[in-house]
Formats: sequence, structure tokens, C-alpha cells
Amino acid sequence: DQQVKQNSPSLSVQEGRISILNCDYTNSMFDYFLWYKKYPAEGPTFLISISSIKDKNEDGRFTVFLNKSAKHLSLHIVPSQPGDSAVYFCAARGTGANSKLTFGKGITLSVRP
Amino acid sequence: IAGITQAPTSQILAAGRRMTLRCTQDMRHNAMYWYRQDLGLGLRLIHYSNTAGTTGKGEVPDGYSVSRANTDDFPLTLASAVPSQTSVYFCASSWDRGGNSPLHFGNGTRLTVT
Repeated sequence: DQQVKQNSPSLSVQEGRISILNCDYTNSMFDYFLWYKKYPAEGPTFLISISSIKDKNEDGRFTVFLNKSAKHLSLHIVPSQPGDSAVYFCAARGTGANSKLTFGKGITLSVRP
Repeated sequence: IAGITQAPTSQILAAGRRMTLRCTQDMRHNAMYWYRQDLGLGLRLIHYSNTAGTTGKGEVPDGYSVSRANTDDFPLTLASAVPSQTSVYFCASSWDRGGNSPLHFGNGTRLTVT
């Protein structure tokens, strides 16, 4: 049973436009959400996170929105740049020392020059 | 540069052989993890360690073992490799397992079991 779902495997956008990457989750105990970015032949790198007490967190060109009632979060990248082309993983975790991070399958973003 | 070092970068291994993937971090993080990445399946947790001297099982622990003798090192051992263990393996670390503690990943080990 997949608890973190990234239903679209890929997304292609034009440079300068907005990229919206979606993520859904099923576990109501999740209360901390993260996005990771991965380039080929490298490990994932942390991008941005959001706690369930918030509905928005912004860091430069990256904004994450959380809709707890819908169990949905999204990552917005504005404006998109060719260097943003990568695989993006959504991840979620509950609180507590024994909570584990559950990842989605990832979405491949391609930003066209 | 502080971070996580994984070795080897890649390996081709005959089925039935024993293999240890090495992972070392120099950030003094308490928690460490091993994930495998497979096409269409994302990142799945194999084993983890909350602190030196303790380990735990993740989502897909079968066929793998780990040890955490000290803070810095967290080797992953395949006792008798099988083709289904062909994957890219990522080691990661974090200050702790709960709360606002992002994972830092190594660059991975690409393992092919033939």
C-alpha cells in the first residue's frame, strides 16, 4: 500500500514558466513533509519542507503548499530554469523517534530552454 | 567537504557472493539509513540506525544486514546476493529520526547482481 503517491511520472515545462509538482498521501498520521531533488548519478538533496501546522512554506523560487484536509501537497517552482531539470521526490513522516520517512516514486521534471 | 561517502561507486557481483557496501559520514549525525532506489518504486528503506549501537528494519530488510559500531560508519552487507538485489543503494544520515531533520544522502552505489 503506497502511502505517498506521485501519480504523474513526468512533467515538462518551458523555461520561465511555473512548474507544479503534486503529491498525495494516505496516512493521516503524517505531519511533516519534505521535497528532495535528485540529479543523475547523485544522491537526493533536501529542497524544502513543511510542517502540518502550516499551509505554505516559501524559499526563493520554491514554495510548498499543504492541504491537510485533502491530504495533498504541491511544490511550485517559479520561474522554472533548465537547471531545475531533475527527479523530485515527495516524502512524509510522522513525529516521534521511531517515525520513518516514506518516499513517493518521484517525478521527472524537464525544463525546456 | 563534510558529507557522506559511499564505496564502491559501482559493482558487478555474481549471485551467491557476499558484498559489503560501505558508508561513512563526518557530520556527527546520530541517525543513519540505507535506501534502495528502483525504477518505478522510488526510495525504499532497508535498515536504519537511530544511534551508534542500535539498528532497525525498514520496509525491505530481507537479504540485508547492517551494523553500527560507531557514529560515523554504517555498512550494509548482502550475505548471499540475488539478482533482485540489483539496484542503486543510497546511504543517508540525519541529526535524528523525528522532527525537522532532513536526510543527507551519499551519491549511491550502483550494484548489479548477475
